[in-house]
Amino acid sequence: GENVEQHPSTLSVQEGDSAVIKCTYSDSASNYFPWYKQELGKRPQLIIDIRSNVGEKKDQRIAVTLNKTAKHFSLHITETQPEDSAVYFCAASHMKTSYDKVIFGPGTSLSVIP
Amino acid sequence: SQTIHQWPATLVQPVGSPLSLECTVEGTSNPNLYWYRQAAGRGLQLLFYSVGIGQISSEVPQNLSASRPQDRQFILSSKKLLLSDSGFYLCAWSRDRFGLNSPLHFGNGTRLTVT
Repeated sequence: GENVEQHPSTLSVQEGDSAVIKCTYSDSASNYFPWYKQELGKRPQLIIDIRSNVGEKKDQRIAVTLNKTAKHFSLHITETQPEDSAVYFCAASHMKTSYDKVIFGPGTSLSVIP
Repeated sequence: SQTIHQWPATLVQPVGSPLSLECTVEGTSNPNLYWYRQAAGRGLQLLFYSVGIGQISSEVPQNLSASRPQDRQFILSSKKLLLSDSGFYLCAWSRDRFGLNSPLHFGNGTRLTVT
């Protein structure tokens, strides 16, 4: 069945260091890969996304890479700050009839230590 | 700009009582609408999605139901709550772009505790 795996489940880094979260997906029809950040008790919010025709995308301190052949995609956060502490969800999506079929990973709890 | 409203923010209900959570979207028409549930410390599970008024599809069998009486209104209901229905319920919408993926935009969520 359709599945998205995400590693690690928890991650602690020192402020200023980089953080990397990796995901794999099983559905070869997936062509859109968003990343969401969820702060404690709040709603998930989109932080970056990448489509299957692109291998890498960067937005300031955040970057995402995609390897469609291997069905891997990763989130890279550089120069981490305490406000980056949150749970991060990767997702793989494709259009199924007329709605977005989105499969989420189980999440990574990132702690940035000041 | 588009906004999504979800209420109530928190709810404590006894086992066997009914449930009604409401979600409305403003600033867009014909959105795709979704209900997700997030158990404590867990990921996001899709419960229902809707591509139009009166069109509801369920991803998993359960004690809950959903309805879409208006284009931008999505309601999650239950006739009799179970303890296992406790969780964080999130409404979301995405833009219908006729085959082009678009991100999900989540509401602030409802934290439901069934006692």
